[in-house]
Amino acid sequence: QLVLTQSPSASASLGASVKLTCTLSSGHSTYNIAWHQQQPEKGPRFLMRISGGGSLSKGDGIPDRFSGSSSGAERYLTISSLQSDDEADYYCQTWGTGIRVFGGGTTLTVL
Amino acid sequence: DVHLVESGGGLVQPGGSLRLSCTVSGFTFTSHWMSWVRQAPGKGLEWVANIDEDGSEEFYVDSVKGRFTISRDNAKNSLYLQMNSLRVEDTAVYYCAREAYGEYYFDYWGQGTLVPVSS
Repeated sequence: QLVLTQSPSASASLGASVKLTCTLSSGHSTYNIAWHQQQPEKGPRFLMRISGGGSLSKGDGIPDRFSGSSSGAERYLTISSLQSDDEADYYCQTWGTGIRVFGGGTTLTVL
Repeated sequence: DVHLVESGGGLVQPGGSLRLSCTVSGFTFTSHWMSWVRQAPGKGLEWVANIDEDGSEEFYVDSVKGRFTISRDNAKNSLYLQMNSLRVEDTAVYYCAREAYGEYYFDYWGQGTLVPVSS
């Protein structure tokens, strides 16, 4: 079964960096995923797609502070130079034949 | 610019029906799969249904199979979600989302429309 696992919460200080992790279920380690940001009281926004090989495709207007990488079954979102409006929920998403799957989301707190 | 605008949400009683619409602009609608994604209050995102470019293939999450129907009118650049036999647990903000060409991640989202199901 295709499942994405995310830690429920993360925190980091203003100006620092944070790395969020999304783990693909067993047997699905080569799958591509996408990261989405959802700020409080807003709809989601696409950030980037990360392939199993680590190649990236970013959404329109996404700043260079947002980057992604891949290692095995893990896909990462790194946010550098944290700003207050980076405080949001971050969801990873993947896909199979006819299905689309979200991770449970990580709530990022900027201290 | 790409725009997706949902409409049709509103309070409905359990067992009732509602039809959501999503009107799009700024891209070639017929080149993309489209999806509906929902978010219950205080919860995460849940994919609900999707449809291929010409409307010949549809897929649904198990919890809505047999109750919800996704459709599209390519002449009107519009996506629809017909929701029947609504349950309290269907209460959510419903988002329309475009799937990236050639891949299947959501690259554009609408602003959402709220569907409360309550007596």
